[in-house]
Formats: sequence, structure tokens, C-alpha cells
Amino acid sequence: QKEVEQNSGPLSVPEGAIASLNCTYSDRVSQSFFWYRQYSGKSPELIMSIYSNGDKEDGRFTAQLNKASQYVSLLIRDSQPSDSATYLCAVNFYAGGTSYGKLTFGQGTILTVHP
Amino acid sequence: DADVTQTPRNRITKTGKRIMLECSQTKGHDRMYWYRQDPGLGLRLIYYSFDVKDINKGEISDGYSVSRQAQAKFSLSLESAIPNQTALYFCATSDPTSLSSYNEQFFGPGTRLTVL
Repeated sequence: QKEVEQNSGPLSVPEGAIASLNCTYSDRVSQSFFWYRQYSGKSPELIMSIYSNGDKEDGRFTAQLNKASQYVSLLIRDSQPSDSATYLCAVNFYAGGTSYGKLTFGQGTILTVHP
Repeated sequence: DADVTQTPRNRITKTGKRIMLECSQTKGHDRMYWYRQDPGLGLRLIYYSFDVKDINKGEISDGYSVSRQAQAKFSLSLESAIPNQTALYFCATSDPTSLSSYNEQFFGPGTRLTVL
């Protein structure tokens, strides 16, 4: 059973700080990694995707991938109260055939940014 | 206009009733998915379809069935609803032909289903 694990939190950071969200996964045969943001009662919204080892930056968001250690992280710089949400990590585990394209989600980390 | 729409947005039904949730998309994506989300359990895949003729079970397909009526439409049915099917249901789509992504999935707004 391929798994994706996240600390459920809640993670609380002050406004303007860096929020660091972590995700580990169970299998090295994986191709793509995604971070989704989900506000309460709303649908998941894709905010970052990463496929290669290293860092990928998009505005205030940076995704970091380390396939050897099997973890992917999301950094949010200059955190704002509007960043308060649940952040879902998703991994595309590839095992051939139709498994490609299926995502396995972690349970999500609740982030609270307080003024 | 929303790219992925779901109807109804909220539904309350009784045990034993048949119910259908519908998903439509204007993104032109071939792949469509149905998930359910429960507190503490995250998103779990119910069924997925890679084209109109290709439908596959996900990790929790028991008690559900699907129909892919067209590239743009994918319906989820609960043949005989039971209370533990109370959850938030999401439809999602992806485009395997996109050169800039590896099957990023895009979600509809969700249907909140309550089975009494």
C-alpha cells in the first residue's frame, strides 16, 4: 500500500513568518508531486507541482523535493491570514498501466496564520 | 464560468434511496475522477475514467457505480444509499497530453451528501 503522510497539525505561525509544511511518501517509484490548498468546505486548489529533485519557486511558495529521502515540502514566505487553510500533499505513484495518473493524497496539514 | 461543475451541490437523502451525482467539464480533459472526503481520512478515490470506454475502480468503489456519458460528463451513483456514505464528494479532471504537467488534477466545487 503506497502511502502519503503529513502532520495533521494544526500548524500555527504569525503573520509574516515562513510556514513549512512537510510530506513523506512510502515508495521511490513516483513521478510527480503536488500541493493543494483547501479552504473549509471548498474544493482543493492546485498551488504547486514538482517533478524533479530540488526547489521550485512560484511567488511566495517554494516546493522542495528530495526523492532519495522520499519527502516533499512546501514553504510559504510572508504568511498571510488568507493562507490559513488545509494543505494537501499528493503523489503520483507509478507502477505501470493505468496507475499513471492516479494520485494518492495525504490527510492534510491545517495551517493557521494569526495576525 | 466554472471549468468543472457538479450537481447537486447539496443533497439530503434517506437510507436505501438511489442517488446520482453529476459532473461536467469544459476543460476538454479526457480523464475524470470521483473522490470522497471524510474528516480525518483525506481524499479517497472511488472511480476514475481515462476516456469514454475506460472506467476503473478506485480504492473504495463498493456501493458506488459510475457512467461516462461523454468526454465531458461523468456521473456517480449510489444504488442504495447508507449513512456511512455521508461525505463530501469531488469530481476532478486531468489532461495526460499536456506537455507542461504530469497529470495535475483540477477539482469541481463538490457535493455535500447526507444520508439519513
